[in-house]
Amino acid sequence: NAGVTQTPKFRVLKTGQSMTLLCAQDMNHEYMYWYRQDPGMGLRLIHYSVGEGTTAKGEVPDGYNVSRLKKQNFLLGLESAAPSQTSVYFCASSYGDRVYNEQFFGPGTRLTVL
Amino acid sequence: KQEVTQIPAALSVPEGENLVLNCSFTDSAIYNLQWFRQDPGKGLTSLLLIQSSQREQTSGRLNASLDKSSGRSTLYIAASQPGDSATYLCAVALSYNTDKLIFGTGTRLQVFP
Repeated sequence: NAGVTQTPKFRVLKTGQSMTLLCAQDMNHEYMYWYRQDPGMGLRLIHYSVGEGTTAKGEVPDGYNVSRLKKQNFLLGLESAAPSQTSVYFCASSYGDRVYNEQFFGPGTRLTVL
Repeated sequence: KQEVTQIPAALSVPEGENLVLNCSFTDSAIYNLQWFRQDPGKGLTSLLLIQSSQREQTSGRLNASLDKSSGRSTLYIAASQPGDSATYLCAVALSYNTDKLIFGTGTRLQVFP
């Protein structure tokens, strides 16, 4: 099993450009999450999904959109990138079972917006 | 609002020492607490998950304890090794919204030979 994979690993954008980050998991997890990690801020939840076709806002959703058309994939879109979106982005997934909610993380995407 | 704090932010110890990392949270209404390890430039790896009804969990040289009433968890690492060098993060799942984790900012551990 590959676990959680993220594409791309690195990306540099200019202000105003758009891009999509792809997350894929092969563990048949119901729940998927997008986080951003900034120095001194910890990880903050951007958006999440509790199943195919569903999405919900997290702590810092502004400037991002997401889609979950297939259970195994969760896409994060930036329509008009801003320097404040320079960060490391992590995707995670979990069974969603409230008894055991361990989250499994991907390796991250390092995004720089100039 | 739940806040999660980890002190110290950084720790440097010689190989072989036993050490304790601390995690504090302000709202005791948690469902579970999870400890992660993050190596530089990498994602997070789950180490231990403690349900709110549990007092501790053990995995190899790691032992995590939970005291909900005082809002504290500790991660004990026995006989530390240079390979333990990493950033350790704790995260809590709220009992009224188990879909999300609230993360601390981490403790960066360096174990030198």
